Amino acid sequence: DAGITQSPRHKVTETGTPVTLRCHQTENHRYMYWYRQDPGHGLRLIHYSYGVKDTDKGEVSDGYSVSRSKTEDFLLTLESATSSQTSVYFCASTQGSYEQYFGPGTRLTVT
Amino acid sequence: RKEVEQDPGPFNVPEGATVAFNCTYSNSASQSFFWYRQDCRKEPKLLMSVYSSGNEDGRFTAQLNRASQYISLLIRDSKLSDSATYLCVVSLGGGSQGNLIFGKGTKLSVKP
Repeated sequence: DAGITQSPRHKVTETGTPVTLRCHQTENHRYMYWYRQDPGHGLRLIHYSYGVKDTDKGEVSDGYSVSRSKTEDFLLTLESATSSQTSVYFCASTQGSYEQYFGPGTRLTVT
Repeated sequence: RKEVEQDPGPFNVPEGATVAFNCTYSNSASQSFFWYRQDCRKEPKLLMSVYSSGNEDGRFTAQLNRASQYISLLIRDSKLSDSATYLCVVSLGGGSQGNLIFGKGTKLSVKP
């Protein structure tokens, strides 16, 4: 399995606070992705990166920003968390094939 | 119309049964197709890619019908360990490198 980790694994935060989730991969993969998974919606792409400092929006990017200053790290920031952002967040990476390797997920609860 | 549609199930089958999952996709420019497996409270993992000629991996057979925009997964001789949610996944066409569209998944429960 690809070495991809996420931190924190669980987080509870209050509405209006900023939150940053971290994804770290040791495979030197070029492409990295952030998804959210909610009941009834499946996995939805938030943002993705195709290289250091190169990012683009996905299907549900409103309220989220990302940064990638190093190949191995991809950060997802909720500038001001809302209850609708309560979800399970998955990070994924790939070198170029379409097979994406997923991290273990972060369960975020916004109260 | 949803981009990737699957029957959500659940499919409850006895051990040893054969079960088939179906999936349809709406973007005719889609180029690559996959089945992922997701265990409860775990991350998705690639089960197999799906090729136009059909492909088999042990007890698992995947088929693609581009004309009908239809993908299937057949599991023979079901095991308890096959219990999971199976995600149908399609690539976006047009050079969106690695960008995938996931179906909502079909839940399978294999009973003793």
